[in-house]
Amino acid sequence: SQQGEEDPQALSIQEGENATMNCSYKTSINNLQWYRQNSGRGLVHLILIRSNEREKHSGRLRVTLDTSKKSSSLLITASRAADTASYFCATAPFSGGYNKLIFGAGTRLAVHP
Amino acid sequence: DAGITQSPRHKVTETGTPVTLRCHQTENHRYMYWYRQDPGHGLRLIHYSYGVKDTDKGEVSDGYSVSRSKTEDFLLTLESATSSQTSVYFCAISPREANTEAFFGQGTRLTVV
Repeated sequence: SQQGEEDPQALSIQEGENATMNCSYKTSINNLQWYRQNSGRGLVHLILIRSNEREKHSGRLRVTLDTSKKSSSLLITASRAADTASYFCATAPFSGGYNKLIFGAGTRLAVHP
Repeated sequence: DAGITQSPRHKVTETGTPVTLRCHQTENHRYMYWYRQDPGHGLRLIHYSYGVKDTDKGEVSDGYSVSRSKTEDFLLTLESATSSQTSVYFCAISPREANTEAFFGQGTRLTVV
């Protein structure tokens, strides 16, 4: 079974609104990462949050991590049509040094003009 | 795209034939990964490598083998392709250091008929 599970599976909003995506995972982690994938393309890294961090910002992105609940959220503020993509969380399990990334099934975000 | 090249980009093959996908990097990164992406499943780890000749299995390794004889090349082989292996395959790389992002190739779309 997969480590990360995103929620919701799909999200449709209007430009200017905020988009929130959630990720839950099962085992202890070194870090949690969020990636974006435009249709038919490879994944692009957005942000990494370490297990000892609780919140991180990058431009219009805000990520939180709650290790006690084994969950994370990605907030995109003031969304744009260009933010339309699939978003994936990936966890690096605490497995003794290997940078193995386990991905969830993703959230499909549609931002309408 | 971070110096990662996947080849071929598209392939159609018949059931029962062997297929090899190649991932080539110019970044000298230690870790290399093969994922498959299917609707509803996100990305699932097939195999990964933590150095030359050092590989390990991921979540969905049955029916796949890998080899890494040089730092820059990671080969994924389907010994006898089946229709269930029709998928989009992504290669990724990441540096030696922990808590770093992964960089993805553009993917190989494989169809087994």
